[in-house]
Amino acid sequence: EAQVTQNPRYLITVTGKKLTVTCSQNMNHEYMSWYRQDPGLGLRQIYYSMNVEVTDKGDVPEGYKVSRKEKRNFPLILESPSPNQTSLYFCASSLTEGAPYEQYFGPGTRLTVT
Amino acid sequence: LAKTTQPISMDSYEGQEVNITCSHNNIATNDYITWYQQFPSQGPRFIIQGYKTKVTNEVASLFIPADRKSSTLSLPRVSLSDTAVYYCLVGGATGGFKTIFGAGTRLFVKA
Repeated sequence: EAQVTQNPRYLITVTGKKLTVTCSQNMNHEYMSWYRQDPGLGLRQIYYSMNVEVTDKGDVPEGYKVSRKEKRNFPLILESPSPNQTSLYFCASSLTEGAPYEQYFGPGTRLTVT
Repeated sequence: LAKTTQPISMDSYEGQEVNITCSHNNIATNDYITWYQQFPSQGPRFIIQGYKTKVTNEVASLFIPADRKSSTLSLPRVSLSDTAVYYCLVGGATGGFKTIFGAGTRLFVKA
């Protein structure tokens, strides 16, 4: 089944404790992206990647890191999480040819930083 | 990236056709228009994408006038399960595939 998977789905952590949220897709998509969604602020793009070793900042990259060492994986790293990073996070992927905005989204990761 | 403007919310009844219009006055020549649907606590789901004129799939139709400064998502015969937030996005290779979601339109379908 074609899908985007994220782990963990739920995470409660403390300020300053480094964490990684994994994202993997099995559709051989070139494009991958991370978003956060907050009430009243909608969906905002954090980082995106056009292909392996190619990443770029979205609208809200501060406090986050990403890497794209393999085509299928695009982990989101919070080196020193803070309470304002409490949010619902989505990973997405798509082709870059044909239908470049047909993004497939993962199920989401609900992160709470205390 | 072109800014988009949609109605904040809409109400409808089951069985009616719903049309949601999105304005994107600054759309670039190479930009596509894409619509997503999102249910609470779920990731957005792709509905339809178009470049010009009309596109239809098994779920919806997308109407794009010749000047491409607006677009209309048409949902035929909505049901209660179509209650969701609908987002219009505009962009493409020119913007490096950076993606900006607007506030979306909250559609509420009543019985």
